Amino acid sequence: EAGVAQSPRYKIIEKRQSVAFWCNPISGHATLYWYQQILGQGPKLLIQFQNNGVVDDSQLPKDRFSAERLKGVDSTLKIQPAKLEDSAVYLCASSLGTINEQFFGPGTRLTVL
Amino acid sequence: AQSVTQPDIHITVSEGASLELRCNYSYGATPYLFWYVQSPGQGLQLLLKYFSGDTLVQGIKGFEAEFKRSQSSFNLRKPSVHWSDAAEYFCAVHLSGGYNKLIFGAGTRLAVHP
Repeated sequence: EAGVAQSPRYKIIEKRQSVAFWCNPISGHATLYWYQQILGQGPKLLIQFQNNGVVDDSQLPKDRFSAERLKGVDSTLKIQPAKLEDSAVYLCASSLGTINEQFFGPGTRLTVL
Repeated sequence: AQSVTQPDIHITVSEGASLELRCNYSYGATPYLFWYVQSPGQGLQLLLKYFSGDTLVQGIKGFEAEFKRSQSSFNLRKPSVHWSDAAEYFCAVHLSGGYNKLIFGAGTRLAVHP
């Protein structure tokens, strides 16, 4: 069974630029999550999708971050414009549903200069 | 508010020695608890989980954890550490209420001396 795929693995941009990350969850997983992991901290949930609907985006900085999950499969997370403090690893995870194990992708390491 | 505390930021042990990583949580209801491991450049991998029942749970790679309600703790243990166990370990609590939301601790980085 293929795992959660993410791309790119690394990205370096300058502040005020835009960036987008892509995630392909495990086939059949209805729930998809985006986490932000700042160096020295645990992952923090940014947004959670159930199929193609948002169920929790309370921690998403909506003035600059956006995410979508068209057709309930792949998802993209966008930052526009980026700030220095957005430097982090962005992890995508998926699960069959609620109270199921979350499977994590390898993450995208973003550096904002 | 719900929170997870991992008191040890960094731990170093010798290969073959025993290991205990501490985790304390703050959550009003009966918690679902998890331990994840993250190797450099990798995503998080689930080691073990506690939902209910036996308070001593076994996981992969020879790890186990014990849930102690009276101490609000869920410490991870391994009797004999291997060099390949060097990684970062995260404890997490699952919030109920219809959403599969995990709150993670800040992590403990484990170094293993040969």
